[in-house]
Amino acid sequence: EAGVAQSPRYKIIEKRQSVAFWCNPISGHATLYWYQQILGQGPKLLIQFQNNGVVDDSQLPKDRFSAERLKGVDSTLKIQPAKLEDSAVYLCASSLVGQGRDEQFFGPGTRLTVL
Amino acid sequence: AQSVTQLDSQVPVFEEAPVELRCNYSSSVSVYLFWYVQYPNQGLQLLLKYLSGSTLVKGINGFEAEFNKSQTSFHLRKPSVHISDTAEYFCAVSETKAAGNKLTFGGGTRVLVKP
Repeated sequence: EAGVAQSPRYKIIEKRQSVAFWCNPISGHATLYWYQQILGQGPKLLIQFQNNGVVDDSQLPKDRFSAERLKGVDSTLKIQPAKLEDSAVYLCASSLVGQGRDEQFFGPGTRLTVL
Repeated sequence: AQSVTQLDSQVPVFEEAPVELRCNYSSSVSVYLFWYVQYPNQGLQLLLKYLSGSTLVKGINGFEAEFNKSQTSFHLRKPSVHISDTAEYFCAVSETKAAGNKLTFGGGTRVLVKP
């Protein structure tokens, strides 16, 4: 069974530029998550989708971050414009139905460096 | 809102020695508890989880954890570590009755196994 796929694996941009990350969850998983992991910290949830609807985006900085999951499968996370403090690893995860007891399966992440 | 505290940011340990990683959480509601491991340049992988029932939970790779409700702790243990256990370990919680499946992570504990 294929795992969660993410691309690109690494990205370096200058501040004020825009960037987009892509995630393809495990086939059949209804729930998709985007986490931000700053160096030395645990992951922090940015947004959770259930199919193509948003369940929780309370910690998403909506003035610069956006995410979509139009067909309820793959998803894109965008940052525009990027700031230095956005340097982090962006992890995508998926789970079967999105209940509290569900295991979340994580992709390898995209490491973003903002110069 | 819940929070997770991992008391040790780094734990050096010799090969074949035991290791314990401490995790304490704070929540006003009942929670599920998880331990994830992150190997270098990889995503997170579930080690074990506590949902209900027996407070001693066994996971993969010889790890186990014990849920202590009165002390709000979920410490992770392994009786004999291998070099391959060198990684970062994250404790996480999710609310049992929340509509979503938001995981709140601790700051992580980096384990370095020495020969």
